[in-house]
Amino acid sequence: EPEVTQTPSHQVTQMGQEVILRCVPISNHLYFYWYRQILGQKVEFLVSFYNNEISEKSEIFDDQFSVERPDGSNFTLKIRSTKLEDSAMYFCASIPFLAGDYEQYFGPGTRLTVT
Amino acid sequence: DAKTTQPPSMDCAEGRAANLPCNHSTISGNEYVYWYRQIHSQGPQYIIHGLKNNETNEMASLIITEDRKSSTLILPHATLRDTAVYYCIVPRIDRKLIWGLGTSLAVNP
Repeated sequence: EPEVTQTPSHQVTQMGQEVILRCVPISNHLYFYWYRQILGQKVEFLVSFYNNEISEKSEIFDDQFSVERPDGSNFTLKIRSTKLEDSAMYFCASIPFLAGDYEQYFGPGTRLTVT
Repeated sequence: DAKTTQPPSMDCAEGRAANLPCNHSTISGNEYVYWYRQIHSQGPQYIIHGLKNNETNEMASLIITEDRKSSTLILPHATLRDTAVYYCIVPRIDRKLIWGLGTSLAVNP
């Protein structure tokens, strides 16, 4: 069964450094998302992406964040200058169709630790 | 956005049915109810969804009341591996999922 993959599974970085989290959505999917979950808290929407542009972004997704689909398969989330409060699990998700079912397929997540 | 309300936690004995309730009294006529679960910090996993009729798949059954203001997710024979946080979500038209705290289900041996 096709699945969403994410790399790395765990990333440790120092405050102020740039990180790139990578996702490979399922190949025929059209809509992509990033969510994050701080330990012990709710899953939070960050951004949705369709047709090579951002569809919607949350208040969390400020100028330090960017997303890209550089080569038609990878979907990346970049944090330009990490802060301690960016430490969280980051989940990528995708859906296949524009209309109809909203079943989102999630990757296993990347645990980001900012020290 | 239709808001959902779930109990924070529930227990279930292994092998028994787990019935997880959800209230969504502000749901509108064309909005679906979706259920996801998250096993200990893993990526959320889709379980089932429905509009009006009851639904069943290999993982669970979903019972939606006639007025659509509430629903119940049923895991017919819960196993230890079903221990997870279960989320009832009414997605927005733009498909963005707004997550609550869900119900933490503990399946006990």
